[in-house]
Amino acid sequence: GAGVSQSPSNKVTEKGKDVELRCDPISGHTALYWYRQRLGQGLEFLIYFQGNSAPDKSGLPSDRFSAERTGESVSTLTIQRTQQEDSAVYLCASSPPGGYEQFFGPGTRLTVL
Amino acid sequence: SQQGEEDPQALSIQEGENATMNCSYKTSINNLQWYRQNSGRGLVHLILIRSNEREKHSGRLRVTLDTSKKSSSLLITASRAADTASYFCATDRGAGNNRKLIWGLGTSLAVNP
Repeated sequence: GAGVSQSPSNKVTEKGKDVELRCDPISGHTALYWYRQRLGQGLEFLIYFQGNSAPDKSGLPSDRFSAERTGESVSTLTIQRTQQEDSAVYLCASSPPGGYEQFFGPGTRLTVL
Repeated sequence: SQQGEEDPQALSIQEGENATMNCSYKTSINNLQWYRQNSGRGLVHLILIRSNEREKHSGRLRVTLDTSKKSSSLLITASRAADTASYFCATDRGAGNNRKLIWGLGTSLAVNP
């Protein structure tokens, strides 16, 4: 079956511009996570959606970052007024109901010039 | 934010040798998971060990968990060049909507042919 997909795979933008990253989770997965991974580093939690519950936004680094999810499907992560320190790979993962393993997408590599 | 810590940061071995990586954490956990990340297949779940388990096997992988020491180890036996990757431990903490995985910084493993 189809795994988690993310688009675009690469995004180069200029400082100050807004970007929107998309994640399509595995069908039927109720939990969806966004992470940021800087070069050579581990994963930094950003936000967590679980079904129709209010998302856990505790990892968002600033108010320039926001995310939405339509029901239990597609999610978009928006970064406004991008800064050079936002350059990283943004990973999306999903989990099935009652499952603890996370299934990851290939990531979006964001470069802010 | 709290994170698991893997050691060593980097490990280089010859094909056929065993590789051992360790992970330490600071708070109580629901389970501990190991993931592998390489450029070819992205981030992939390897094995999950629950807080009430002490050892688990999957193929050439052996994971141990010592909750009294808040540590885990991942052993890869008879390593292959294809095992070259970064290995991350992730601790599952919290409950309900606050439940999340906290990631370590990873161990970079190089298996030389």
